[in-house]
Amino acid sequence: NAGVTQTPKFRVLKTGQSMTLLCAQDMNHEYMYWYRQDPGMGLRLIHYSVGEGTTAKGEVPDGYNVSRLKKQNFLLGLESAAPSQTSVYFCASSGSIRSIYEQYFGPGTRLTVT
Amino acid sequence: GNSVTQMEGPVTLSEEAFLTINCTYTATGYPSLFWYVQYPGEGLQLLLKATKADDKGSNKGFEATYRKETTSFHLEKGSVQVSDSAVYFCALSERGAQKLVFGQGTRLTINP
Repeated sequence: NAGVTQTPKFRVLKTGQSMTLLCAQDMNHEYMYWYRQDPGMGLRLIHYSVGEGTTAKGEVPDGYNVSRLKKQNFLLGLESAAPSQTSVYFCASSGSIRSIYEQYFGPGTRLTVT
Repeated sequence: GNSVTQMEGPVTLSEEAFLTINCTYTATGYPSLFWYVQYPGEGLQLLLKATKADDKGSNKGFEATYRKETTSFHLEKGSVQVSDSAVYFCALSERGAQKLVFGQGTRLTINP
C-alpha cells in the first residue's frame, strides 16, 4: 500500500515549457486535490476533484489544468510555465465528504521555472 | 471568506520545554478545526482534530481545544522532543465544504 505517490520529485523548466505532474493513490479515495506550497503562504488549493471525470477550481487555478480520467490518478498540467509557478506541489486524497479533513498527502514535487 | 492565522515562526525551543502555537480563525459557520504536521522532506499528516466547540483533540502528546468564543485552536505540548521538529499547519473546514483552508504554517525547531 503506497498511499499517495507523485511523479516526478524534482523538475526544472524554462519559461514557456509545458509539463504534467502525476498523482496516484491506491486507497480508492473519491476526492483528490492539488496544492502549491510557497514560503510564508501555507498551502493553497489549485484544483480538486470529487470523483472520476470531475474537476473544480480552487483558490489559485490560473495557469494550471487538471484531469481525472481514472479514479486513482489526478494529473496537473502547466501549459506554459512561468517563474511565478516555481513552488512545491502537493497532491492529496480523501475518502469522502464526511472525512475530507483526513487528507493523505504525497511527498511533493519541487518545480523550478527559470 | 474563511481564513486561518497562525503565529509567525520560526519557533525554537529546548528539549522538554512547553510548546504553544497559536491559531485563530475566521469562518461564517461552524467549522471543524485541524492541526497538520509536515516533517522534513515529507507531505502533511493529520495530527489532531476537533469538530465542535469545546472539543479537545489530542495525539502524540499534543492537544488543542476548540474555543468558539475566542475563535481559536491553539496547539500545546507539555514537553517537546527533538523529533517534534517540523512545520505545523492549522486548518479549517466548513460543514459541507469539500476543501480545507490552511494557515501559513509555523516552523518548530527543538534543540537537544
